[in-house]
Amino acid sequence: QVQLQQSGAELVKPGTSVKLSCKASGYTFTSNHMNWIKQTTGQGLEWIGIINPGSGGTSYNVKFKGKATLTVDKSSSTAFMQLSSLTPEDSAVYYCARSNNYYYVMDAWGQGASVTVSS
Amino acid sequence: DIQMTQSPASLSASLGETVTIECLASEDIYSNLAWYQQKPGKSPQLLIYAANRLQDGVPSRFSGSGSGTQYSLKISGMQPEDEGDYFCLQGSKFPPWTFGGGTKLELK
Repeated sequence: QVQLQQSGAELVKPGTSVKLSCKASGYTFTSNHMNWIKQTTGQGLEWIGIINPGSGGTSYNVKFKGKATLTVDKSSSTAFMQLSSLTPEDSAVYYCARSNNYYYVMDAWGQGASVTVSS
Repeated sequence: DIQMTQSPASLSASLGETVTIECLASEDIYSNLAWYQQKPGKSPQLLIYAANRLQDGVPSRFSGSGSGTQYSLKISGMQPEDEGDYFCLQGSKFPPWTFGGGTKLELK
């Protein structure tokens, strides 16, 4: 079955960067686009961006341009998201989620990775 | 960006009660609407896609309807395991995908 296994919780200092991973299994990694989503209590769910694992092509929510960088490693079926210049407002749970190829929907989600930005 | 207004923000339902949650889009999203359930500490689980298609494995008491800008999720007979947060997602005008604000459903 489709599984997206994310890296663990991170506690990081303001001004630094963090790189989250999302290892896919149970399907052909390059066949589906991968999304990243931010969830906070205050702002709810926000879509960050999407990457085509086959081509490496990306598209970002304007709000997260310059904040998030999406990449993949096809050899390990892993997607990555780097968050830079971290501030306390970046503290959230971050999810990776696979796009369905036939409908405009994210049909499988990772378990989430908590990022806490604190000095 | 398309704005998704979800209501109510919270509700409490009795066992067996029918529950309805709604999402209103700021423009026509042509049925490109999904519903998710999220339990505390867990990731969202897809319930409904394309406005009214039931995801494999989801109980038939869940149903979706709507068109244009107005969509709803119905739970026909509240069960204890249905407690959780529910939210809608539009995929019509992309980027960006946009989510509803969420509904917290509790068992009365």
